[in-house]
Amino acid sequence: QKEVEQNSGPLSVPEGAIASLNCTYSDRGSQSFFWYRQYSGKSPELIMFIYSNGDKEDGRFTAQLNKASQYVSLLIRDSQPSDSATYLCAVRFSGAGSYQLTFGKGTKLSVIP
Amino acid sequence: DAGVIQSPRHEVTEMGQEVTLRCKPISGHNSLFWYRQTMMRGLELLIYFNNNVPIDDSGMPEDRFSAKMPNASFSTLKIQPSEPRDSAVYFCASTPGQGQNQETQYFGPGTRLLVL
Repeated sequence: QKEVEQNSGPLSVPEGAIASLNCTYSDRGSQSFFWYRQYSGKSPELIMFIYSNGDKEDGRFTAQLNKASQYVSLLIRDSQPSDSATYLCAVRFSGAGSYQLTFGKGTKLSVIP
Repeated sequence: DAGVIQSPRHEVTEMGQEVTLRCKPISGHNSLFWYRQTMMRGLELLIYFNNNVPIDDSGMPEDRFSAKMPNASFSTLKIQPSEPRDSAVYFCASTPGQGQNQETQYFGPGTRLLVL
């Protein structure tokens, strides 16, 4: 069974702090990793994707990938109340069809002003 | 671009009725995905199409669910007969299949279905 695991939270951080969201996956051969943000009552929207081990930065967001540990994380620097949402980790497992993703259940983040 | 379009946005129906959900993917995208989202189970893939051909329907819960993609611009997800446990938000997503964001799935606004 190929699975994507996330702590459901809620994760509460004060405004201006760093929020750290974590995700583990079961398939060592996985190649593509995505972080989506979903506001309450809205659809998921892509924050960033990462394919290679290491860090990838985009503005206040940094994705970190460690394939050996089967672990991917998302750091949000200078957290803002507008970052309060559910963050979904998604993985394309090895052998999956064209761009088929498996999503975790998400971590709910609350940024306290 | 208008993004992925779904209709209706909300649907309330009674148990046993047929429900049809519609999706128009982003023009030029070659893969289309149908998901169901609930609090308990999260976001589950039901079926996906590549170049209008169904590739994997292993996520379709049972024979009451069916999906079609008659052309590159339109897909339907049908539930017949509907049951209260089908109540969920149903999302459609599409991917470009080329370019830098070839794997990125772009989601529609979803259809919130309530079966009474």
